[in-house]
This record gives sequence, structure tokens and C-alpha cells, in this order.
Amino acid sequence: KAGVTQTPRYLIKTRGQQVTLSCSPISGHRSVSWYQQTPGQGLQFLFEYFSETQRNKGNFPGRFSGRQFSNSRSEMNVSTLELGDSALYLCASSSGREGHNEQFFGPGTRLTVL
Amino acid sequence: AQSVTQLDSHVSVSEGTPVLLRCNYSSSYSPSLFWYVQHPNKGLQLLLKYTSAATLVKGINGFEAEFKKSETSFHLTKPSAHMSDAAEYFCVVSFYNTDKLIFGTGTRLQVFP
Repeated sequence: KAGVTQTPRYLIKTRGQQVTLSCSPISGHRSVSWYQQTPGQGLQFLFEYFSETQRNKGNFPGRFSGRQFSNSRSEMNVSTLELGDSALYLCASSSGREGHNEQFFGPGTRLTVL
Repeated sequence: AQSVTQLDSHVSVSEGTPVLLRCNYSSSYSPSLFWYVQHPNKGLQLLLKYTSAATLVKGINGFEAEFKKSETSFHLTKPSAHMSDAAEYFCVVSFYNTDKLIFGTGTRLQVFP
């Protein structure tokens, strides 16, 4: 079974631009979660999508948004980029059928904002 | 609210000696707890999980953790460290009955030959 894939792996953007990151979950998984990892704040939950609906949300500003498609693939969008958005963005998938599922993480997208 | 505290930011051991990575949790209900490992430039991998079954949980690569409710602890141990164990380890609690994970700040494990 193929693992969680994320594209692109690396991105360089400038302040004020917007960016879209993509995540393809493990086949059969219906839940996709996004996390931001920075040296200062560690790993923080952004949001979770299940069956195309946002099921959980973290404490990030509205500039961070996401969506999920009918094939469970998910995209995350960050608008009006700030320097502090430079981070490793991780996507995780699970079956989503009940809580406390094992989550499988992708390799991440490293975003650098200049 | 749920949270985890990893008591050591860095741990150094010699190859072949025991590993102990400490984690305390705070939860207003019976938690689900996990340990994840992150090797440099790689994604996170689940080592083990506790979900209210046996209090001693065995994971991959010889790691295990014991859930102690009286001490609100979930320490990770391994009898004998290997060079390949050098990585960042995260203690994690799930947010109530959801897939939202709350991560600790991480413990960097160094293994010396």
C-alpha cells in the first residue's frame, strides 16, 4: 500500500503571496489532518477533514484554509504569506471511523517565505 | 484540557545502554496516548499507542511504554539503544475522542558509540 504523499516537497514564496499544498492519503483512508512544524512552536494541529467536511480545527488565523475532495485528497491553502509561515507542513491520514485512530504521516512540504 | 509535557529536551546514551524518555500528561478524561519518532528529513512514524487496554504497551523496534494513571506518566523505554534510534521523539495525546493530536515539545535522543 502506498503511503501518504505530499506535493510539492519544497516551496519558496515571498511575503504576500499565497500557496497551495497537496496531500494524497493512504488508499481507503477518509480522514486527512494537517500540522505545522516550526522550531519555535513545535507541532501544531491546523485542521482535519473527513468525508469532505472540516471536522476539527486548530487555533490558526483564517489565512489558513483547506478542503477535501471526494477521493479524500486534501489541499491546504495559505493566503497573504508572512515570514512566520515558514515551516514544515505535515499531512496525516487515518481511517477516521472512530477516535484515536493511528495516523500515518507524509514526508511533509517545507515552505520557506522570503 | 489535554496536554503532554516531555521532561527532557535532549537525552544522550551510549549504544547498548537503556533508553528512558519521560512524558507526563494532563487530561480531563481517560486519554489516548502515543509516541511518535521523527528521523531527520523524514515524516513521523508511530512507535506505539495506548488506548485504555493493557497499561504496558509494546511498540516497534523494541520500544515500550507504561501508562501510570497515578503518576499521570507515559514514559518510553528501550532496554538497549542502537545507533539507528537517534532521532526526535514526540509524546502525543489525542484531543478528547477525535483524531486531533496534541504534541509534546519533543526529546532529541543522541546515541554515542
